[in-house]
Amino acid sequence: AQSVAQPEDQVNVAEGNPLTVKCTYSVSGNPYLFWYVQYPNRGLQFLLKYITGDNLVKGSYGFEAEFNKSQTSFHLKKPSALVSDSALYFCAVRDVNTGFQKLVFGTGTRLLVSP
Amino acid sequence: KAGVTQTPRYLIKTRGQQVTLSCSPISGHRSVSWYQQTPGQGLQFLFEYFSETQRNKGNFPGRFSGRQFSNSRSEMNVSTLELGDSALYLCASSLERGSEAFFGQGTRLTVV
Repeated sequence: AQSVAQPEDQVNVAEGNPLTVKCTYSVSGNPYLFWYVQYPNRGLQFLLKYITGDNLVKGSYGFEAEFNKSQTSFHLKKPSALVSDSALYFCAVRDVNTGFQKLVFGTGTRLLVSP
Repeated sequence: KAGVTQTPRYLIKTRGQQVTLSCSPISGHRSVSWYQQTPGQGLQFLFEYFSETQRNKGNFPGRFSGRQFSNSRSEMNVSTLELGDSALYLCASSLERGSEAFFGQGTRLTVV
């Protein structure tokens, strides 16, 4: 069974500092990995994905993520945090082999960026 | 291009009633998935439809059902509502295998 883990319920960072939101995954085959962000009372917004290719993936709003197969991790990063980045972030995995679109989500990490 | 549209945005229902939620996917997207989001259980997969066929189902009781129409619009139905069904229900559409899913704003269901 596929799964993802987000070990931190909350990450606090000062504006202008780099941020990292952690995600590790478990899947039997090759994973498709995604990051989504959710603002209050809103749906999920797609940030970036890893399918294959370069281990460093660039996404929306200056976010990037590094795929590490040996550590089964897919951490989300941003060089300089903004107060407006404060939101709930979800890592998700999809099983390549099934062909289905089902996403398995982590429990989410709340990012709080202070001015 | 219009995004994923879910209606209604908010619903209040009484225990025992049934409810139908609607989702219009992005034009051209044939895959529609539904998720339930609650504070306790997080985001959980309900089911996925592709070309009017349910091809994957999550671990939910039979009170939860859905369908997809020929224009890819989808509905989900919950019968005999329970207090625990109170949640944000999210619909997502995607093009094909490997592509990202785009989510609607959700329907907030409150069961009283």
